[in-house]
Amino acid sequence: AAGVIQSPRHLIKEKRETATLKCYPIPRHDTVYWYQQGPGQDPQFLISFYEKMQSDKGSIPDRFSAQQFSDYHSELNMSSLELGDSALYFCASSPPGGGRGYTFGSGTRLTVV
Amino acid sequence: TQLLEQSPQFLSIQEGENLTVYCNSSSVFSSLQWYRQEPGEGPVLLVTVVTGGEVKKLKRLTFQFGDARKDSSLHITAAQPGDTGLYLCAGARVEETSGSRLTFGEGTQLTVNP
Repeated sequence: AAGVIQSPRHLIKEKRETATLKCYPIPRHDTVYWYQQGPGQDPQFLISFYEKMQSDKGSIPDRFSAQQFSDYHSELNMSSLELGDSALYFCASSPPGGGRGYTFGSGTRLTVV
Repeated sequence: TQLLEQSPQFLSIQEGENLTVYCNSSSVFSSLQWYRQEPGEGPVLLVTVVTGGEVKKLKRLTFQFGDARKDSSLHITAAQPGDTGLYLCAGARVEETSGSRLTFGEGTQLTVNP
């Protein structure tokens, strides 16, 4: 069965650089979520999109932006990177109806040096 | 303040023992999910409970949703080394609305020793 695909798997950036993370949801899933997980911490919700519109916003810094495209894939753009942005970034998708079962991708490990 | 309090945070047991992980909140959730996460990987959904008092079984794992839909528990019978991992509870607070966020508990790191 198709899963949530995230790319890249690993990313190393320098401070003040920009990064773009991509997420391809499961086909026919209409909602995409982005989470950030620091070392030893639980995932923190950043933002979500339903039918290509932002549906919920969490603790996402102003330096970050995201969007969902017509093919339902989503991109998380991160600018002016800081050391504290180093974390695992997960994308999840859910089918129509919401809240009953999220499928997470394998994540992108971002390291800011 | 953590919306979902998960306990214990760390648990190390011997193979064959039983264990229970708790997830508590003062908030009501429309659904509560349990995930298991391996290092460097995304959380994998184990179960979703939606009805107060609901009990679901997945082989040696038993999940229960509290009557008031504020708490949940995960019980593992006869734990095996393959059960080792991080167990996360997560709640959805918005009823049947697409795009509703999940709020995670802090996780329980379970180690089952052979």
